[in-house]
Amino acid sequence: GENVEQHPSTLSVQEGDSAVIKCTYSDSASNYFPWYKQELGKRPQLIIDIRSNVGEKKDQRIAVTLNKTAKHFSLHITETQPEDSAVYFCAAALGSGGSNYKLTFGKGTLLTVNP
Amino acid sequence: GAVVSQHPSRVICKSGTSVKIECRSLDFQATTMFWYRQFPKKSLMLMATSNEGSKATYEQGVEKDKFLINHASLTLSTLTVTSAHPEDSSFYICSARRPGTGYPYAGNTIYFGEGSWLTVV
Repeated sequence: GENVEQHPSTLSVQEGDSAVIKCTYSDSASNYFPWYKQELGKRPQLIIDIRSNVGEKKDQRIAVTLNKTAKHFSLHITETQPEDSAVYFCAAALGSGGSNYKLTFGKGTLLTVNP
Repeated sequence: GAVVSQHPSRVICKSGTSVKIECRSLDFQATTMFWYRQFPKKSLMLMATSNEGSKATYEQGVEKDKFLINHASLTLSTLTVTSAHPEDSSFYICSARRPGTGYPYAGNTIYFGEGSWLTVV
């Protein structure tokens, strides 16, 4: 089955700096890669996703890059703000045809943005 | 946007009793829903995939007789923790697959419910 590795497990940055979280996956068939932000005791919220037919996607301060050959994808947050502090999870799934989009999650990254 | 609602948000039950948690997709039909368990400061552990109109698919190591899943309609899946024990205390969270719409086709997306804190005393 799919295995997703996520690094780093914790990340501390100063407000205004950039943050990068990296994930690798094992199943070359996976083609859907979402990123979720989870605050303590709350639901994971989808912040951005990318599908394998593109290499990069951007939404304001958040961007995701995908390298299918190397089987890794990364989350980039620019101009970080204290409210970006949370746990971020990457995930991978087979998302096409009759698949059910069963997500395999990384272990999460605790991001702390210091004012 | 898509909304998935989960109820109750918190429940305390006595050891040996059963507890039902509901997961509803509010503005889309979800043929597939997923149930996760999350321990403090840990990642989401998939328990089972709930398929509308058919039996759930359980992950290895998850007791299907203890964690009963029913996906009776396109907008509702339920998880029943039977004969609960203190070690079942956890954060349980569901997600639903929203079919893609529009042109160009955007693909399916997974949205999560608010989660349910279960405490078994």
